[in-house]
Amino acid sequence: DIQMTQSPSSLSASVGDRVTITCRASQGISNDLGWYQQKPGKAPKRLIYAASSLQSGVPSRFSGSGSGTEFTLTISSLQPEDFATYYCLQHNSYPITFGQGTRLEIK
Amino acid sequence: EVQLLESGGGLVQPGGSLRLSCAASGFIFSSYAMSWVRQAPGKGLEWVSSVTSSGGSTYYADSVKGRFTISRDNSKNTLSLQMNSLRAEDTAVYYCAKNVQAVAGSFEYWGQGTLVIVSS
Repeated sequence: DIQMTQSPSSLSASVGDRVTITCRASQGISNDLGWYQQKPGKAPKRLIYAASSLQSGVPSRFSGSGSGTEFTLTISSLQPEDFATYYCLQHNSYPITFGQGTRLEIK
Repeated sequence: EVQLLESGGGLVQPGGSLRLSCAASGFIFSSYAMSWVRQAPGKGLEWVSSVTSSGGSTYYADSVKGRFTISRDNSKNTLSLQMNSLRAEDTAVYYCAKNVQAVAGSFEYWGQGTLVIVSS
């Protein structure tokens, strides 16, 4: 099974900050990685697919990079609506696995 | 507009059974793999099961293998999850998700979820 190690598990930041979240795969997964945002009581929403492609309708302040085993999600300038929990997901092979999540909180 | 509407959740005793359904609309259901993902209270996301577009292949997490069965009816645009021998640790919100490909791929759209509580 492919393990996804996501860091940090929590992060405090201010509006306007640039933040980066990292996911490391236990083996190479090419670019078969997505990033999801989840707000309390809501279903997850896909932000990034194929490691670096922006989902339609998602603000351009979100970006993804990486390939193989190292991936990052960057939010260039935090907005109030960005405070949520973020997950990475690998779909290169079954079982599909998620990272543990990063809770982004207001400082 | 893609819509996924789960139903069938509720309170069930340990060892009991429950069947979840997901009604899909707004896309060609028979062209895409479909999946179930769950989230225990206060915890992260856990993939549960996936089925290919034709229904010919199914995949399960080890935690549910042998107890849960995923199926689909392409004539009715419906995805199902039969859950047997339920345990307290199966308590979670269960989400139906549309994959982006016929066989696998990431989860492009999600339903709103249905809550399953396993408790005596």
